[in-house]
Amino acid sequence: SQQGEEDPQALSIQEGENATMNCSYKTSINNLQWYRQNSGRGLVHLILIRSNEREKHSGRLRVTLDTSKKSSSLLITASRAADTASYFCATEIQGAQKLVFGQGTRLTINP
Amino acid sequence: NAGVTQTPKFQVLKTGQSMTLQCAQDMNHNSMYWYRQDPGMGLRLIYYSASEGTTDKGEVPNGYNVSRLNKREFSLRLESAAPSQTSVYFCASSRTGTGAYEQYFGPGTRLTVT
Repeated sequence: SQQGEEDPQALSIQEGENATMNCSYKTSINNLQWYRQNSGRGLVHLILIRSNEREKHSGRLRVTLDTSKKSSSLLITASRAADTASYFCATEIQGAQKLVFGQGTRLTINP
Repeated sequence: NAGVTQTPKFQVLKTGQSMTLQCAQDMNHNSMYWYRQDPGMGLRLIYYSASEGTTDKGEVPNGYNVSRLNKREFSLRLESAAPSQTSVYFCASSRTGTGAYEQYFGPGTRLTVT
């Protein structure tokens, strides 16, 4: 079964609106990362949040982590057409030296 | 600085044929990874190499072998391709084997097995 599961699977919003994606996981983690994948391309790292952190910001991105609920959220503010992509969370399980990726949220920004 | 490069970009194989996917990174990273991505799915780890000289199985290693040729290069071999191996294959690298550092991805190899 998947360690990380994103919700929703697909999201379509108007340009300028905010987009929120959620990630839930099952076991204790060292850290959680978010990646973006444009159609037909490799993944690009967006942000990393450690298990002892609750919130991080990077430009228009805001990530929260709630280890008690085993969940994270990615907020993209003031969305742009260029934000259209799939977004994946990835977790490093404690004791494992690798990341486990979720199935992703496909975000579409409509002009 | 090319980052992570993969060859070939596209490949079509017949069932039973073999091939090697090549990956190289120029960032002096210790760790390298091979993933596969099936339509509408996330990435699943096939094999990884936490450091030069070591390799370990990931979530879906059956039907694949890997070689960490040197610090820069990490190849993935399909000995006898099957239609179930039709997928997009991504190579990635990071500074260390832990998730404390971001992974850098190559552009992918699109493999079709008929």
